[in-house]
Amino acid sequence: AQKITQTQPGMFVQEKEAVTLDCTYDTSDQSYGLFWYKQPSSGEMIFLIYQGSYDEQNATEGRYSLNFQKARKSANLVISASQLGDSAMYFCAMRGRGGADGLTFGKGTHLIIQP
Amino acid sequence: GAGVSQSPSNKVTEKGKDVELRCDPISGHTALYWYRQSLGQGLEFLIYFQGNSAPDKSGLPSDRFSAERTGGSVSTLTIQRTQQEDSAVYLCASSLKPLTIAGRQETQYFGPGTRLLVL
Repeated sequence: AQKITQTQPGMFVQEKEAVTLDCTYDTSDQSYGLFWYKQPSSGEMIFLIYQGSYDEQNATEGRYSLNFQKARKSANLVISASQLGDSAMYFCAMRGRGGADGLTFGKGTHLIIQP
Repeated sequence: GAGVSQSPSNKVTEKGKDVELRCDPISGHTALYWYRQSLGQGLEFLIYFQGNSAPDKSGLPSDRFSAERTGGSVSTLTIQRTQQEDSAVYLCASSLKPLTIAGRQETQYFGPGTRLLVL
C-alpha cells in the first residue's frame, strides 16, 4: 500500500518569503510518480508539479520546485517569493502500480500568506 | 481548450434517494478517475477507467456505488439509496493516458467537483 504523510496541517508565511511544504511517502513500487496540487477556497484542484521516481534532477515549474530525496522518501514543495494568491490547501500525491489505479493523497497543508 | 467538466455543481438529496453524477473529461483523454473528498476521510480514490473499462472497482466504498463510462468519454457515478455519510465533494479527473511511453505518470487534471449533500 502507498502512503503520503504531510506533517504540517497549517502554515503562516510572510509575503515574498520562500515556503517549504513537507511531504514524505511510502511505497514498495520501484517506479512511481509524485505530484503536488493546489486547492484554493474555490475548490478546484490545480496541478503544480510532477517528479518521476527515476528523474535525476529535481523538477521545477516557475516559482515551484520539488526537493526530491529518494533515499529519504521525501518530496518537499518549495515555493519561492510567495504571493498572497498562494494561500490555499496544498496536497502531495503519488501514483504507482504501473498506472493501474488513482492517486494517493496526503491530508494537505493549509498555507496562508500574510501581507 | 476546455477542461474537465462535472454536473451538477451541487446536489441536495434526501436519504434513500439515488443520485447520478456526471463527468465530461478533456477531449482525447483516455484515462478517467473518480475521487471523493470529505472532511473526515480526506481525498479518496474511488475508481479508474481506461477507455470504457474499469480494471479495479475495489475502491468504491460500498455496493451502492457504481460507475460507468461509455464511448470512451463521459462517465457517470451513481449512488443508490444515499446515506448521510455519502455527503462529500466528488471529483473527477482525466489524463491523456495512464502512463507515457517512457513509463512516466501522466498528469491528472481535475474538474470542479460535485458537492453532494444528503439530508
